[in-house]
Amino acid sequence: NAGVMQNPRHLVRRRGQEARLRCSPMKGHSHVYWYRQLPEEGLKFMVYLQKENIIDESGMPKERFSAEFPKEGPSILRIQQVVRGDSAAYFCASSPDSHLNYGYTFGSGTRLTVV
Amino acid sequence: AQKITQTQPGMFVQEKEAVTLDCTYDTSDQSYGLFWYKQPSSGEMIFLIYQGSYDEQNATEGRYSLNFQKARKSANLVISASQLGDSAMYFCAMREEGKTDKLIFGTGTRLQVFP
Repeated sequence: NAGVMQNPRHLVRRRGQEARLRCSPMKGHSHVYWYRQLPEEGLKFMVYLQKENIIDESGMPKERFSAEFPKEGPSILRIQQVVRGDSAAYFCASSPDSHLNYGYTFGSGTRLTVV
Repeated sequence: AQKITQTQPGMFVQEKEAVTLDCTYDTSDQSYGLFWYKQPSSGEMIFLIYQGSYDEQNATEGRYSLNFQKARKSANLVISASQLGDSAMYFCAMREEGKTDKLIFGTGTRLQVFP
């Protein structure tokens, strides 16, 4: 029973390149959340998706960032034209139902470094 | 707006002793959930314990207990019989119930357990 799978674990990009982060939720989970953790800080909510729908993207920067959760396949967080300030750990969490008490399972995160 | 405050950037505790990590929260909602997560140096987010706003009993999970004082809006984590492996960052988080259920995190407390 695999947990939430995120890949890659580490990603290095040059300024101006695109970064694509993948998250496969736990089997049976249809809710996906993305969080960003800057160095020495707590996690900050970015976006909440259900299959084929963005439910809440209030934490997403207005430009260069996008997310999707297609009917088939993993959820993707895409960052276009990366800048040094995008360097952070990006975590994905999934849940089977948004109202369950213990519903969140986090992935191990993707550490993005922009050089 | 909801807010989580962790006022202890770092804490030290001797092995086998108990330690309390502070967390206060601010919300106008009646229904909410409070979580504690552990983040070891390897970076993953590990769920420790959950307390619902309507739960009358303090939550306990093994050596972890949550000292929930609703009137004071505090949800302190108590770790009993500390072990060297407890050295990590600890994050308190709150979930808004009935909305998007996203988590709001505090800035964390770094706990170091010494022999």
